[in-house]
Amino acid sequence: NAGVMQNPRHLVRRRGQEARLRCSPMKGHSHVYWYRQLPEEGLKFMVYLQKENIIDESGMPKERFSAEFPKEGPSILRIQQVVRGDSAAYFCASSPFKQSYGYTFGSGTRLTVV
Amino acid sequence: SQQGEEDPQALSIQEGENATMNCSYKTSINNLQWYRQNSGRGLVHLILIRSNEREKHSGRLRVTLDTSKKSSSLLITASRAADTASYFCATDAYQGGSEKLVFGKGTKLTVNP
Repeated sequence: NAGVMQNPRHLVRRRGQEARLRCSPMKGHSHVYWYRQLPEEGLKFMVYLQKENIIDESGMPKERFSAEFPKEGPSILRIQQVVRGDSAAYFCASSPFKQSYGYTFGSGTRLTVV
Repeated sequence: SQQGEEDPQALSIQEGENATMNCSYKTSINNLQWYRQNSGRGLVHLILIRSNEREKHSGRLRVTLDTSKKSSSLLITASRAADTASYFCATDAYQGGSEKLVFGKGTKLTVNP
């Protein structure tokens, strides 16, 4: 069991480009959560997905950000037309439960927008 | 919205000393969890305490919960340099149509050898 796998670990994008962040949950986990962490801050909830469904996207910015968790393959967090303010660490967690325990976090993707 | 708020924001101690971090939260909870994050790494779950529990131990960790004051504390006894990390409390919150973990800003602990 390899844990929650996120890739890439580090991603550098120029302003205006697209960023794609991938998250493979632990085997048997059907609940995926994405969080964003700004420097020296805690984690802020972005979106909660189950296979093929977005359950809660109340923490997602209204524009440029989207997420999916297809039937096959990893969950993807997509940021279009990145801006400097998108620079942050993005963490994915998976859980076998819909309740807020049993989370396993990935190591994160550190996005730098130059 | 921010649920847990830790204090102090930063704590520096000598190896062997105890470290105490506090967390306050705003709404009622079912459980409260503490996580640890080493610099530049992901989060590691340390301990979960349920709302009907007052104290819980795990190795050198001791967590207390006071639901009347909406606060929790994490005590690390006999600290080691390897305990240097940021520590976050997280509470369950039903917001936006689902239950999720809501994190505080964390306490940055430095243990000096």
